[in-house]
Amino acid sequence: EAQVTQNPRYLITVTGKKLTVTCSQNMNHEYMSWYRQDPGLGLRQIYYSMNVEVTDKGDVPEGYKVSRKEKRNFPLILESPSPNQTSLYFCASCSSGSAFKYNSPLHFGNGTRLTVT
Amino acid sequence: DAKTTQPTSMDCAEGRAANLPCNHSTISGNEYVYWYRQIHSQGPQYIIHGLKNNETNEMASLIITEDRKSSTLILPHATLRDTAVYYCIVRPYNTDKLIFGTGTRLQVFP
Repeated sequence: EAQVTQNPRYLITVTGKKLTVTCSQNMNHEYMSWYRQDPGLGLRQIYYSMNVEVTDKGDVPEGYKVSRKEKRNFPLILESPSPNQTSLYFCASCSSGSAFKYNSPLHFGNGTRLTVT
Repeated sequence: DAKTTQPTSMDCAEGRAANLPCNHSTISGNEYVYWYRQIHSQGPQYIIHGLKNNETNEMASLIITEDRKSSTLILPHATLRDTAVYYCIVRPYNTDKLIFGTGTRLQVFP
């Protein structure tokens, strides 16, 4: 089944303790992206990647890191989490290249609810 | 980016067609209309998208007015599992940007 898989589904941690949220897709998509969703603010993009070894900042990149060493994986790293990073996080992917120009739809994972105390 | 306006909430009886309107009066020629839905706090689910012509797939139909300033998502036979928040989004053809507004909360009742 074609899907975007995030882990963990729920995560509670303390301020300053490094964590990684994993994201993997099995659709051979070039493009991957991370979003956070907060009440009243909708979905905001954190980082995105057009392909392996290519990453760019989205709208709210502060406090986050990403890497894209393989096509299928796009982990989100919080080096020193803070309470304002408590949020619902989504990873998404879509095919790009020539297909991207014609609006290939984004496929989302089921989310990771992160709580930083 | 063009903005969209949707009603905050709608109700629909199970088995009936659900018609969800969206206004995008500032849409430009290279912007597609996308519809996603989000059930509880699950990941947004792609439903359908279109540029000018009406579109239909196994989930829904999308009707876009001739001037492209508004559109309607139609779920032909709503079920209880269609209860969700539905987002109408306009997206330029060459960007990954999906700006989710507050959407329409559709409640399907028995």
